[in-house]
Amino acid sequence: EAGVVQSPRYKIIEKKQPVAFWCNPISGHNTLYWYLQNLGQGPELLIRYENEEAVDDSQLPKDRFSAERLKGVDSTLKIQPAELGDSAVYLCASSFRTGNEQYFGPGTRLTVT
Amino acid sequence: GENVEQHPSTLSVQEGDSAVIKCTYSDSASNYFPWYKQELGKGPQLIIDIRSNVGEKKDQRIAVTLNKTAKHFSLHITETQPEDSAVYFCAASNRGSTLGRLYFGRGTQLTVWP
Repeated sequence: EAGVVQSPRYKIIEKKQPVAFWCNPISGHNTLYWYLQNLGQGPELLIRYENEEAVDDSQLPKDRFSAERLKGVDSTLKIQPAELGDSAVYLCASSFRTGNEQYFGPGTRLTVT
Repeated sequence: GENVEQHPSTLSVQEGDSAVIKCTYSDSASNYFPWYKQELGKGPQLIIDIRSNVGEKKDQRIAVTLNKTAKHFSLHITETQPEDSAVYFCAASNRGSTLGRLYFGRGTQLTVWP
């Protein structure tokens, strides 16, 4: 069974540019999560989807971050415009439903110069 | 919200020795405690988890213990091997709440020397 797929794996952009990350969860998993992981820290939740509905986005900086999961399967996280402080690893995870075990993808390492 | 603290931040052991990582949590409503292993350049991998109705769980060389009264839980790795070297994260959540959010510790860098 394929795990959580993320792309790209690495991205380098200049500040003020837009960037997008893509995630395809494990087949059959209804809940999808986006996490931010800063260097030397644990992941922090940005947004959680149950099917196509964003049910927990309280930690998402909505002035520059947006996300969508239109058909309740894959998801895109966007930053526009990017700032130097956005340099981090963006992790996607999925679970069969909320409260079940979460499985993580390999992450996208973003560097903003 | 929940606050999870993890110690130590770094741990070095000789191959074959045991390693113990400890975490504390603040929210007494938390009832699910997973442990993740993260290797360089990879995402966190779930290695073991425990629920609040269980005091201890073991899976081959790894075990987790939970003390609900003291609000702390620990990961024990026995007979460590060089391939156990990685960053380990503890986490806590309330699976019964509508949020079900995982709160992570800051991680422990485990190095196993051959």
